[in-house]
Amino acid sequence: DAGVIQSPRHEVTEMGQEVTLRCKPISGHNSLFWYRQTMMRGLELLIYFNNNVPIDDSGMPEDRFSAKMPNASFSTLKIQPSEPRDSAVYFCASSLGGRLSDGYTFGSGTRLTVV
Amino acid sequence: AQKITQTQPGMFVQEKEAVTLDCTYDTSDQSYGLFWYKQPSSGEMIFLIYQGSYDEQNATEGRYSLNFQKARKSANLVISASQLGDSAMYFCAMRARPGASGGSYIPTFGRGTSLIVHP
Repeated sequence: DAGVIQSPRHEVTEMGQEVTLRCKPISGHNSLFWYRQTMMRGLELLIYFNNNVPIDDSGMPEDRFSAKMPNASFSTLKIQPSEPRDSAVYFCASSLGGRLSDGYTFGSGTRLTVV
Repeated sequence: AQKITQTQPGMFVQEKEAVTLDCTYDTSDQSYGLFWYKQPSSGEMIFLIYQGSYDEQNATEGRYSLNFQKARKSANLVISASQLGDSAMYFCAMRARPGASGGSYIPTFGRGTSLIVHP
């Protein structure tokens, strides 16, 4: 299994531009999570999907952020328009989800820099 | 509400010695799972070890063991025979089964502990 695949690995964009981050979860995993990691705030959960349905998006910072999961093998996190304070590492993680012991497999992350 | 506390922002250990990374948690749920992840400088999050709240024995995975003290709500990670490659950030996380008590299926992560292993 190739694990959770995120793209791109690095993204540098100018303020005001649209940014789209992509994630392919592990095949068969029912749950998908988007996290943001910064030095100041640590690891923050942005949104969580179960069976492709958004369950909890209370962590999405504002309307500039949106996430979709059109099918079980693909999810996107979009920021429009981007701002310098969005600079962070964004992780996608997936989990089987059915049991407490089901761990979370993380992707390699996307390092976003907004200048 | 669930909460994970890692009180040690940074830890230092000599190579080949053992080190304990602290983690305390707060939950009103009876059924929950505790995880530890390692994040090396390359950035990826690597699963290390899992402990269930009803597991009677402390979890072990190679050089990693989890010192689980349920009454004290602590789940400390013990790394034996430290290696230079153990230098990384370590995160403790918890998830509980959703239920009437409000337990969240969503995992809660601590702020992490930075471990540096000296030669």
